[in-house]
Amino acid sequence: KQEVTQIPAALSVPEGENLVLNCSFTDSAIYNLQWFRQDPGKGLTSLLLIQSSQREQTSGRLNASLDKSSGRSTLYIAASQPGDSATYLCAVKNTDKLIFGTGTRLQVFP
Amino acid sequence: SAVISQKPSRDICQRGTSLTIQCQVDSQVTMMFWYRQQPGQSLTLIATANQGSEATYESGFVIDKFPISRPNLTFSTLTVSNMSPEDSSIYLCSVDPMTGDETQYFGPGTRLLVL
Repeated sequence: KQEVTQIPAALSVPEGENLVLNCSFTDSAIYNLQWFRQDPGKGLTSLLLIQSSQREQTSGRLNASLDKSSGRSTLYIAASQPGDSATYLCAVKNTDKLIFGTGTRLQVFP
Repeated sequence: SAVISQKPSRDICQRGTSLTIQCQVDSQVTMMFWYRQQPGQSLTLIATANQGSEATYESGFVIDKFPISRPNLTFSTLTVSNMSPEDSSIYLCSVDPMTGDETQYFGPGTRLLVL
């Protein structure tokens, strides 16, 4: 059974810092991995998707990497801003299902 | 991409009653999913809603408690039956448009509080 874990569970940083969120999964037989953002009381917004054959994806200040053999992904956020404050979720796709991680709650203060 | 709407956006219900949540997509999709997010928790898949056949439920979820309809390729409903306070959660509809980019999209969620 696929299990997805994210560390840290919560993170509070000053504005401008570069930061790394971690995601690990137990079954390396995945099709892809997605990173989502969830704002309080809102739905999910897709940030990045990495196919199982890819090593990384970039969008603006975000960079996500994938090491499928070791069951790890990282989301790198450069020059963090208060608007980045949200919960970040990683999810892996096995067959046709997305299995979600436990989430990292990020707060960026001015 | 896909734009998903859900109704209602939130509700407060009495225990023992049932609530039906609607999910509408702006394009035809094969795969529709229902997730539950309990307070302070991550998302858990309830079931996959299949068009033209019965939904496929995950371990721990049963049809009698969470009946699902999928009458066509753009619409689905999830009913939370005989509710208890433990059913207080956010319920999210999700689709995989299978248009090539494999991104899965989510609706805004339905926030349910059961008293």
